Amino acid sequence: NAGVTQTPKFQVLKTGQSMTLQCAQDMNHEYMSWYRQDPGMGLRLIHYSVGAGITDQGEVPNGYNVSRSTTEDFPLRLLSAAPSQTSVYFCASSYNRGQDNEQFFGPGTRLTVL
Amino acid sequence: QKEVEQDPGPLSVPEGAIVSLNCTYSNSAFQYFMWYRQYSRKGPELLMYTYSSGNKEDGRFTAQVDKSSKYISLFIRDSQPSDSATYLCAMSLIQGAQKLVFGQGTRLTINP
Repeated sequence: NAGVTQTPKFQVLKTGQSMTLQCAQDMNHEYMSWYRQDPGMGLRLIHYSVGAGITDQGEVPNGYNVSRSTTEDFPLRLLSAAPSQTSVYFCASSYNRGQDNEQFFGPGTRLTVL
Repeated sequence: QKEVEQDPGPLSVPEGAIVSLNCTYSNSAFQYFMWYRQYSRKGPELLMYTYSSGNKEDGRFTAQVDKSSKYISLFIRDSQPSDSATYLCAMSLIQGAQKLVFGQGTRLTINP
């Protein structure tokens, strides 16, 4: 299993540009989520999904869109990039039942918005 | 005030020392408590997971939860240079590890 994969690893955008961060998992996990990590802030939840076709907002959703058309993929779209969105973005997945709920994180995408 | 507070460090200790990492939280409804380890430029990986109050031990690692004080701890015995990483506490309201709330993370260095 590849686990949770994210592309690209690095990205530089100009203010106002849009882009999609890709996330895929091959563990058949129902639950997927996006976090951003900023210095001194820990990880903050952006959006999450409990299954294909179901998404919901986390703590910091503004400026981001998500959709979940398949179990495997959960892309994060930046509509109009702003310097405040410079961060490291992590995708995570887990089962959505019982005690078996460890979240597996991807390697991250480092985004810089100029 | 953040829901979860964690001293960001950095913390530097000699090899073999006992390390104590701590988090405090304000939401008494948190039920599930986790510690993640994150190596530089990598994603976090789950280290320990506990439910409600009590202790849990796994090898050199012990996690403690004191819900009455809203305080959780991670102890590392016989620390090794390979333990050098950032340690993040996280907690959630419901089972399933959904909607995790993280502390800021503590950067730990174990010196040989």
